[in-house]
Amino acid sequence: DTAVSQTPKYLVTQMGNDKSIKCEQNLGHDTMYWYKQDSKKFLKIMFSYNNKELIINETVPNRFSPKSPDKAHLNLHINSLELGDSAVYFCASSQDARNYGYTFGSGTRLTVV
Amino acid sequence: QQQVKQSPQSLIVQKGGISIINCAYENTAFDYFPWYQQFPGKGPALLIAIRPDVSEKKEGRFTISFNKSAKQFSLHIMDSQPGDSATYFCAASSSGGGADGLTFGKGTHLIIQP
Repeated sequence: DTAVSQTPKYLVTQMGNDKSIKCEQNLGHDTMYWYKQDSKKFLKIMFSYNNKELIINETVPNRFSPKSPDKAHLNLHINSLELGDSAVYFCASSQDARNYGYTFGSGTRLTVV
Repeated sequence: QQQVKQSPQSLIVQKGGISIINCAYENTAFDYFPWYQQFPGKGPALLIAIRPDVSEKKEGRFTISFNKSAKQFSLHIMDSQPGDSATYFCAASSSGGGADGLTFGKGTHLIIQP
């Protein structure tokens, strides 16, 4: 059983489209995250979500919005996609909000053309 | 502002040698320092982590050395093997939580030559 699973693994779409990436964790963790890895492999946090509290990194455009139907799921919706959104997006989870012991998913490679 | 600086950017080591990757941090609130290993097409995987109350932690061939006063920590991979070839990230976080989550270094691309 995969601990943190993301779908799809690859996503190719045109500029201006709206797309979603799904994430599920079966670890019973309380906190989930979205990270963006750019072409130089730099990992940067986008959101953390704990117990219905959303913490947003101030640099994330408001075209990005996380949605959490329950503790085990944190989906990422992106509106009006731009070329610069092309990256690998990783979902992660941790037991609580103390930022310890993240488990990452295998990533979604988003390509905007 | 890059809060965790990692070096070198790339590293080539002969099989059986010692691989050393260094990181430095600025935020004195950081109290958790993990290292992650990432293979192509995969997500980062936790390798080993240390807290500032100890100066060294060893797990198998992997050792973290931590210098609190210098705000530096390093990963040593002993008897490096071709299977260790991957990208390694140091990271840091504050147990108080907060918006920054885990702050990552920019990564080191490690190649172990047979």
